[in-house]
Amino acid sequence: KAGVTQTPRYLIKTRGQQVTLSCSPISGHRSVSWYQQTPGQGLQFLFEYFSETQRNKGNFPGRFSGRQFSNSRSEMNVSTLELGDSALYLCATKPGTSEWETQYFGPGTRLLVL
Amino acid sequence: DQQVKQNSPSLSVQEGRISILNCDYTNSMFDYFLWYKKYPAEGPTFLISISSIKDKNEDGRFTVFLNKSAKHLSLHIVPSQPGDSAVYFCAAIESGTYKYIFGTGTRLKVLA
Repeated sequence: KAGVTQTPRYLIKTRGQQVTLSCSPISGHRSVSWYQQTPGQGLQFLFEYFSETQRNKGNFPGRFSGRQFSNSRSEMNVSTLELGDSALYLCATKPGTSEWETQYFGPGTRLLVL
Repeated sequence: DQQVKQNSPSLSVQEGRISILNCDYTNSMFDYFLWYKKYPAEGPTFLISISSIKDKNEDGRFTVFLNKSAKHLSLHIVPSQPGDSAVYFCAAIESGTYKYIFGTGTRLKVLA
């Protein structure tokens, strides 16, 4: 079974620009969650999509948004980029039908904002 | 407010000895706990999990202990190997939410 894929792997943007990141889940997984990892902050939860609907949301500003398509692929968008948005963005997927499921992570997209 | 805390940012252990990584939580509604390992430039990989109805779960060299009254869990790695050097995250799932809450991670260094 193919794993979780994320594109692109690396990205450099400048302040004020916007960026779109993509996540393709493991086949059969309908839940996709997004996380931001910065040094010392662990994995901060952004949001979770299940069957094209946002099911959970973290405490991030509205500049961070996402969506999920009918094939369960998900995109995350960050508008008006700030220097502090530089981070590793990880997506994680699971079947999504049970609470106690193991989540599987992609390799992440490293975003650098200059 | 950090609901899942890993108070030791780093830990060094000699090869062959036991590594003990600790995690504390504050939310009594958490009913499932997991440990992930992360190498640089890779996504976290799942290690082991435990539900709140158990107090111990083993998988090879890895054992997770849960003390619900103390709201504390720990991961034991025996024997530790240099390849275990990584950042370890604990995570908790709150009943009814489907949402993972992660700790800030502990960097384990196993010295050869």
